Amino acid sequence: KAGVTQTPRYLIKTRGQQVTLSCSPISGHRSVSWYQQTPGQGLQFLFEYFSETQRNKGNFPGRFSGRQFSNSRSEMNVSTLELGDSALYLCASSLEGQEGEKLFFGSGTQLSVL
Amino acid sequence: SQQGEEDPQALSIQEGENATMNCSYKTSINNLQWYRQNSGRGLVHLILIRSNEREKHSGRLRVTLDTSKKSSSLLITASRAADTASYFCATPRGAGKSTFGDGTTLTVKP
Repeated sequence: KAGVTQTPRYLIKTRGQQVTLSCSPISGHRSVSWYQQTPGQGLQFLFEYFSETQRNKGNFPGRFSGRQFSNSRSEMNVSTLELGDSALYLCASSLEGQEGEKLFFGSGTQLSVL
Repeated sequence: SQQGEEDPQALSIQEGENATMNCSYKTSINNLQWYRQNSGRGLVHLILIRSNEREKHSGRLRVTLDTSKKSSSLLITASRAADTASYFCATPRGAGKSTFGDGTTLTVKP
């Protein structure tokens, strides 16, 4: 079974631009979560989607948004990029997204904002 | 701030030695999980321990949980160079959400 696939692996953008990251979950997994990882703040939860609906959201500004498609694939978008958005963005999938369920992570997208 | 805090932040040992890392958390939990992350990659789930369990084993891993002290420890026995990675404890906080500690960076020298 293929694992969680995130594309692209690396991305370089400039301030003010927008970016879209993609995540394909493990086949059969219906929950997709997104995390931001930085050296200063560690791993922080962005949001979670299940059956195309956002069920849970972290404390990030509205510039961070996401969506999920009927095949469970998910995208996250960051608009008006800031230098502080430079981070490793990780996507994780699970069967139902129930509390405490094991998360399967992708390798991440390393975003650099110049 | 993060729910979990790992201690120590960094640990360097020789191959064959045991590595112990600790995690503290602030609020009550139903279970606690440990993950490993190799440099710049995604996290890999290692083990889950439920709140009614005190100790759990999986291969060379041993996890303990003390809910009265709100702490957990991860012991890796007979460490190998391939165990070099960062280790995070995670506490579930709702649908698809876990709160991760700051992590312990383990270096195992051959």
